[in-house]
Amino acid sequence: GIQVEQSPPDLILQEGANSTLRCNFSDSVNNLQWFHQNPWGQLINLFYIPSGTKQNGRLSATTVATERYSLLYISSSQTTDSGVYFCAVWGSGGSNYKLTFGKGTLLTVNP
Amino acid sequence: GAVVSQHPSRVICKSGTSVKIECRSLDFQATTMFWYRQFPKQSLMLMATSNEGSKATYEQGVEKDKFLINHASLTLSTLTVTSAHPEDSSFYICSAVGGGGTEAFFGQGTRLTVV
Repeated sequence: GIQVEQSPPDLILQEGANSTLRCNFSDSVNNLQWFHQNPWGQLINLFYIPSGTKQNGRLSATTVATERYSLLYISSSQTTDSGVYFCAVWGSGGSNYKLTFGKGTLLTVNP
Repeated sequence: GAVVSQHPSRVICKSGTSVKIECRSLDFQATTMFWYRQFPKQSLMLMATSNEGSKATYEQGVEKDKFLINHASLTLSTLTVTSAHPEDSSFYICSAVGGGGTEAFFGQGTRLTVV
């Protein structure tokens, strides 16, 4: 099956700093999603991004499908950005019609 | 975005009893729902995929008789943990996808504790 690797596994920032999270995947995919898991366990949809660049406020994401990676940018980080960020990819159909998750990046933003 | 509601959010049950968890898509028809399990400080592990009106497809190593999944309508899927034991204690999360799309939306999760 598809392998998804995220880096870094842990990241500690001061409030106001910028960061880049990376997601590499091993095969061609139908789609890719970024999630933020808050301290209560809820997964919040950040981006649905098979290719190209999207922006939503202080967050943006870029997926380069031909090179099998995606990046999540967080600018001017806030303490509420803390939590785990997951990248997940959709396989190309059949038995691969499912989301495969990376192990996540644990982000801690200190005041 | 679409809303998926999962209940209960937290449940404590005695060893040997069964627990049912509901997952509802509130504002769209979910053709496919997925059930995941998450251990502390780990990623989500897919347990099974369910399509409305058909039997669930379980991932390798997941006991289908232990984790019963029913997807009786386009807005509701249920996961029943049968004869629960302490090792079944975990965080269970559902997700739903609608209308041939591939964007998944997640429920709030259920924290199950078996005592």
